[in-house]
Amino acid sequence: NAGVTQTPKFRILKIGQSMTLQCTQDMNHNYMYWYRQDPGMGLKLIYYSVGAGITDKGEVPNGYNVSRSTTEDFPLRLELAAPSQTSVYFCASSYRQGTRTDTQYFGPGTRLTVL
Amino acid sequence: GEDVEQSLFLSVREGDSSVINCTYTDSSSTYLYWYKQEPGAGLQLLTYIFSNMDMKQDQRLTVLLNKKDKHLSLRIADTQTGDSAIYFCAEGPRSSSGYALNFGKGTSLLVTP
Repeated sequence: NAGVTQTPKFRILKIGQSMTLQCTQDMNHNYMYWYRQDPGMGLKLIYYSVGAGITDKGEVPNGYNVSRSTTEDFPLRLELAAPSQTSVYFCASSYRQGTRTDTQYFGPGTRLTVL
Repeated sequence: GEDVEQSLFLSVREGDSSVINCTYTDSSSTYLYWYKQEPGAGLQLLTYIFSNMDMKQDQRLTVLLNKKDKHLSLRIADTQTGDSAIYFCAEGPRSSSGYALNFGKGTSLLVTP
């Protein structure tokens, strides 16, 4: 298993540009998450998905959109990039059935700079 | 993040023990986790403890949980230079946010020779 993979690893955007951060997992996990990590800070939840076709907002969703058309993929879209979105973005996944929740597995991250 | 507090820095000598502390506020957390982040890398799950346990040992790692005081600690025995990294404490999973985890800001551990 490759686990959770993210592309690209690095990206520099100009203010107002758009981009999609890709995330794929091959563990058949039903839950997927996007977090952002600002310097010296912990991770903040942007969006999450409990299964294909179902997404919901986390703590800091403004400026982002997500979709979940398949179990494996959970892309994060930035429509109008702003300097405040300069951060490291982590995708994570886990499996939940009934009351059992397995641990979250993280991708390697995408480092985004908006200038 | 503001519900999980950690000290920001810790420096130890190689071979000594390291103790990283964490306090949390959500008494309904089912699990408490320790993740390790090496420079430029993602988060790696180190260990976790179920909320009804007091202690968990895994090779050089010992996790202690004081549920009454909502205090969690990670002890690394015989600390090596390869242990230098940022260590994140996390609580969860939170049903109100899709069973996501709530992270502290991380403790930077520096191990000197």
